[in-house]
Amino acid sequence: AQSVTQLDSQVPVFEEAPVELRCNYSSSVSVYLFWYVQYPNQGLQLLLKYLSGSTLVKGINGFEAEFNKSQTSFHLRKPSVHISDTAEYFCAVIPANQAGTALIFGKGTTLSVSS
Amino acid sequence: DSGVTQTPKHLITATGQRVTLRCSPRSGDLSVYWYQQSLDQGLQFLIQYYNGEERAKGNILERFSAQQFPDLHSELNLSSLELGDSALYFCASSPRVGGKNTEAFFGQGTRLTVV
Repeated sequence: AQSVTQLDSQVPVFEEAPVELRCNYSSSVSVYLFWYVQYPNQGLQLLLKYLSGSTLVKGINGFEAEFNKSQTSFHLRKPSVHISDTAEYFCAVIPANQAGTALIFGKGTTLSVSS
Repeated sequence: DSGVTQTPKHLITATGQRVTLRCSPRSGDLSVYWYQQSLDQGLQFLIQYYNGEERAKGNILERFSAQQFPDLHSELNLSSLELGDSALYFCASSPRVGGKNTEAFFGQGTRLTVV
């Protein structure tokens, strides 16, 4: 079975500062990895995904994530955050040999950006 | 707009009652997933339907049931409601099972409050 641990439940940062949201996963098989964002009172929107190939994945809104197989991590980064990045961020995983099955989510990280 | 439509957006009901949540997936998507989001449990996968058939079950209570109709819309039925069932219920859809087209598109959710 797979599991996801998001190491920080809340991350407060100032506007224009860099940010890293940490995600570790556990799996005995290869996985696909995802980051979703949930803005207040909205559904989840895909930020980026890693399926294969380059371990550095670029997503929307200036976010990127790096897949590290040896450390079983998939940390999300942004070099300079904006107030509008304030949201809940979820890391998710599915087994690579079971594409189309349900995403398994971490408990989420609340990113709060202040001026 | 993800293309996934959930109704109603808000629902307030009393303990012991039964409610039905509705989801219309993106046009052409065969797979529908239901998730429950609560503060203490995070995003929990409930159940998946694929082209009208139940495909996978997660942490779904026996008091809950779902179905997917020939037009591919889905309904989640919650009965004998308890205060602890208060949560945000999300529906997501994806095109098919298998392959690398793994992105799930989420609706805006139905917020259920049991009083």
